[in-house]
Amino acid sequence: GENVEQHPSTLSVQEGDSAVIKCTYSDSASNYFPWYKQELGKRPQLIIDIRSNVGEKKDQRIAVTLNKTAKHFSLHITETQPEDSAVYFCAASISRTNAGKSTFGDGTTLTVKP
Amino acid sequence: GAVVSQHPSWVICKSGTSVKIECRSLDFQATTMFWYRQFPKQSLMLMATSNEGSKATYEQGVEKDKFLINHASLTLSTLTVTSAHPEDSSFYICSAKKTGMNTEAFFGQGTRLTVV
Repeated sequence: GENVEQHPSTLSVQEGDSAVIKCTYSDSASNYFPWYKQELGKRPQLIIDIRSNVGEKKDQRIAVTLNKTAKHFSLHITETQPEDSAVYFCAASISRTNAGKSTFGDGTTLTVKP
Repeated sequence: GAVVSQHPSWVICKSGTSVKIECRSLDFQATTMFWYRQFPKQSLMLMATSNEGSKATYEQGVEKDKFLINHASLTLSTLTVTSAHPEDSSFYICSAKKTGMNTEAFFGQGTRLTVV
């Protein structure tokens, strides 16, 4: 089955700095890679996703890159703000339709210091 | 919108009792719903896939007789933790996928179960 590894487990940055979270996956059949933000005690929220036919996707301060050959993808947050503090999970699945059966990374706790 | 609501948000029960958690899609129909378990500071682990009108599909290692899933309608799936024990204490989250559409699954807000 799929195995997703996520690094780092914790990340602390100063407000305004950039944050990068990296994930690797094992199953070459995976084609859909979502990123979720989860605040304490709340539901995970999809913040950005990328499909295997795209190498990079950007949405305002958030961007995701994918290297399908190397089987790794990364989340980039620029100009971080305190409200970006949360746990971020990467995930991998065969398709967006099968996102419910994603394999999740272990999460990265991001702390943005004001 | 795509709103998924879980009830209750938190529950405390005595060891040996059963607890039912509901997952409702409020503004869309969901043929398929998913149940996850999340331990503190850990990732989401898929427990089972709930299919309307048919039996749930359980992931390896998940006891189907302990975690009963019923998906009786297109907007409601329930997870019943039977004979709960303290080690069942966890955060249980569902997600629901819009019927017939190529969309992601939307998460409920989760249910914090504490077994004492």
